[in-house]
Amino acid sequence: GAVVSQHPSWVICKSGTSVKIECRSLDFQATTMFWYRQFPKQSLMLMATSNEGSKATYEQGVEKDKFLINHASLTLSTLTVTSAHPEDSSFYICSAYGQGGETQYFGPGTRLLVL
Amino acid sequence: AQSVAQPEDQVNVAEGNPLTVKCTYSVSGNPYLFWYVQYPNRGLQFLLKYITGDNLVKGSYGFEAEFNKSQTSFHLKKPSALVSDSALYFCAVTLGNQFYFGTGTSLTVIP
Repeated sequence: GAVVSQHPSWVICKSGTSVKIECRSLDFQATTMFWYRQFPKQSLMLMATSNEGSKATYEQGVEKDKFLINHASLTLSTLTVTSAHPEDSSFYICSAYGQGGETQYFGPGTRLLVL
Repeated sequence: AQSVAQPEDQVNVAEGNPLTVKCTYSVSGNPYLFWYVQYPNRGLQFLLKYITGDNLVKGSYGFEAEFNKSQTSFHLKKPSALVSDSALYFCAVTLGNQFYFGTGTSLTVIP
């Protein structure tokens, strides 16, 4: 199956700083990637759809200026949490459709803790 | 509105016994159906999917799922549970590019 990686796996930062999370498709090209947020013992919440070469599409209630998404190449999308606050602490997961376009493959996730 | 329901937050089963994790959906059209498993602090791992064809789908780690169109269900099953199967399981339905996830079921296999 397709492999999606994320970096870093863990990040701890101070309130007010910005954090960048990378999502890479390792063995396939992904014109579209997805960013999810997951709270403890809850399901995934789709934050935005990242489109290569164009602006991301954000879900209702997700602040575009807070969660900056850049999809600069067919294998890399980045999520930057700007001016992070403790309430932004969460598990962030990216995904992409594999070849064939039927199945989403997920990255291992990034645990963000804002102090 | 499109939705996916996993009616059980928690399922406990003894090791060696069969397990079932339930999923029902309410989606218009002919959706694709998926099961994913999530281990602590990890992303979701693909288990199996139903696109078309045989209603019984076999997936990874001995899991299988049965698609029932009349009951709009896609229950996940395994004949003999292992302790290592303990994890969080998500049912998902896709229609076009939109993915709809269930709320997840925590499976605990008791030794």
